Amino acid sequence: AQSVAQPEDQVNVAEGNPLTVKCTYSVSGNPYLFWYVQYPNRGLQFLLKYITGDNLVKGSYGFEAEFNKSQTSFHLKKPSALVSDSALYFCAVSYYGNNRLAFGKGNQVVVIP
Amino acid sequence: DGGITQSPKYLFRKEGQNVTLSCEQNLNHDAMYWYRQDPGQGLRLIYYSQIVNDFQKGDIAEGYSVSREKKESFPLTVTSAQKNPTAFYLCASGPVLSNYNEQFFGPGTRLTVL
Repeated sequence: AQSVAQPEDQVNVAEGNPLTVKCTYSVSGNPYLFWYVQYPNRGLQFLLKYITGDNLVKGSYGFEAEFNKSQTSFHLKKPSALVSDSALYFCAVSYYGNNRLAFGKGNQVVVIP
Repeated sequence: DGGITQSPKYLFRKEGQNVTLSCEQNLNHDAMYWYRQDPGQGLRLIYYSQIVNDFQKGDIAEGYSVSREKKESFPLTVTSAQKNPTAFYLCASGPVLSNYNEQFFGPGTRLTVL
């Protein structure tokens, strides 16, 4: 079984400040971790993933995420938030031999000008 | 939204009607998925298919049916047995054995029951 927790419903951040969106996971075996972003009334867009190797993963639009095995976390970060980063962010997890993704409930990010 | 199309964008259903949501992909992916999205609940898997003429139930399959007659197409029927079908429906695709490959999502269909 696999599951994801995104503990915050909404993250508010001022434009230009660092942005962090939290994700913790539970999975049998080694996890494959993903971040997606969704703009209103649109499908999900892939941002980045962790499969193996370097714990710091860099993705699209200046986003990065850090895998922490001991804390079972995969937090999404951006050094300087833009108003255009305002969207719904989803963390998801899978593992070897399982074609299914388990999604968190999502975090609404609001970047304040 | 890549090479996945969903239609229609908005769909209205009367009580007791069956409706079919279309999903087509030109990415040559073997696996296709249907998700339901409700506010504050994330995405929940309805059905998925890893190969033509085969599909498996996800976590909330009751009241839904699918078919996979062609690699490119994976339509979802919302039957009258689905008691609360108002939601945003997302189709996705990915390579088979795609546990470490990302899924690609369509733009979604918003279904409303009148």
